[in-house]
Amino acid sequence: DAGVTQSPTHLIKTRGQQVTLRCSPKSGHDTVSWYQQALGQGPQFIFQYYEEEERQRGNFPDRFSGHQFPNYSSELNVNALLLGDSALYLCASSAQTGTDKNSNTDTQYFGPGTRLTVL
Amino acid sequence: SQQGEEDPQALSIQEGENATMNCSYKTSINNLQWYRQNSGRGLVHLILIRSNEREKHSGRLRVTLDTSKKSSSLLITASRAADTASYFCATDLNDYKLSFGAGTTVTVRA
Repeated sequence: DAGVTQSPTHLIKTRGQQVTLRCSPKSGHDTVSWYQQALGQGPQFIFQYYEEEERQRGNFPDRFSGHQFPNYSSELNVNALLLGDSALYLCASSAQTGTDKNSNTDTQYFGPGTRLTVL
Repeated sequence: SQQGEEDPQALSIQEGENATMNCSYKTSINNLQWYRQNSGRGLVHLILIRSNEREKHSGRLRVTLDTSKKSSSLLITASRAADTASYFCATDLNDYKLSFGAGTTVTVRA
């Protein structure tokens, strides 16, 4: 059973460019969350996708956008890259609990991350 | 500011000793989770403890939760070199996201 996978592993971009990161959730999971982790810090929540819609968003500018596909995989897009966007980007998947689609999910399982460096 | 705050920031112990780290948080939670991260890689889920639970065990790990003090502790018994990692607590406020602290870096010396 494959866990959460992310691609690419590493990425180097220059300021002003755009980047797309990809995530495939763990088998059986329908919810994908994205986090940004700066060096020496804990992960910061960017947003969560469920049923192909963004249903919760953290304190990140509109330059950060995402998408979820019918197979539950997800993309994170960052436009107009800044030096401060350099970080480890983590994807986490989870399964909706219960029949209420507005209910929370439990344990989030994280992928290995994509290390983005902006020069 | 972050919801969870770990203490201490760093911990160095001898192999075989126990390691204890604490997490304090600010608002009522749905559950609290502990994660481990090795060398800037992905996070590995260790334990989830719900707000109505006081203690949970998993192998050499013991987690306690005191909702009156808004705090949790993670105990690793009989530490091994492989336990060297950063440990994070994350709070779930039933709003679809996890809020992480800055973590405790644990070094286990041989």
